[in-house]
Amino acid sequence: GAGVSQSPSNKVTEKGKDVELRCDPISGHTALYWYRQSLGQGLEFLIYFQGNSAPDKSGLPSDRFSAERTGGSVSTLTIQRTQQEDSAVYLCASSLAVGQVQTGELFFGEGSRLTVL
Amino acid sequence: GENVEQHPSTLSVQEGDSAVIKCTYSDSASNYFPWYKQELGKRPQLIIDIRSNVGEKKDQRIAVTLNKTAKHFSLHITETQPEDSAVYFCAAQSSGYSSASKIIFGSGTRLSIRP
Repeated sequence: GAGVSQSPSNKVTEKGKDVELRCDPISGHTALYWYRQSLGQGLEFLIYFQGNSAPDKSGLPSDRFSAERTGGSVSTLTIQRTQQEDSAVYLCASSLAVGQVQTGELFFGEGSRLTVL
Repeated sequence: GENVEQHPSTLSVQEGDSAVIKCTYSDSASNYFPWYKQELGKRPQLIIDIRSNVGEKKDQRIAVTLNKTAKHFSLHITETQPEDSAVYFCAAQSSGYSSASKIIFGSGTRLSIRP
């Protein structure tokens, strides 16, 4: 596609429910990131996929958070038993790798705004 | 792991003046330092980046400097204009021939340009 696509753009859920957020990266981009941005705050790293390597999950805040990337393309971020503090914008970004080395530039999606009531 | 600190958190400058945002990083293996601009309600976009083999890079009114010894890098915007108002994020990454680490961002600087 023309850019990184995320869905849903907005999600309102009740505390305790599970949610799934989807990211469709730019075709051919082998690196994929998830970040979380709370209102007026910075970009908090969550998880990083690079090609066929094991993902870097060091930013996931708890075991309620998980992510997968199927077929090296689409990624899904799952939050189980959502809490009010999970409310934020979840941003996905992808990057082109030349050979095995990233060119560097991240292309961000529009984000999924999650509100937990 | 890498930690990136950014300051100031907010910055207000008169239109036409210069703005400087500073960042420090902790991992000496980091060798790639991008800057992103996020306008209100929009996604972050890359505005300039620098790799560790150079000390300075310039693109029109924007420049970035890097001091590897001190592990800090800075963004300089000259002749500021109203459209420069946004949140700016610095970031750091280590990348090599066979792998690249995650990209870690600073906490952001909200830049306001006064008319």
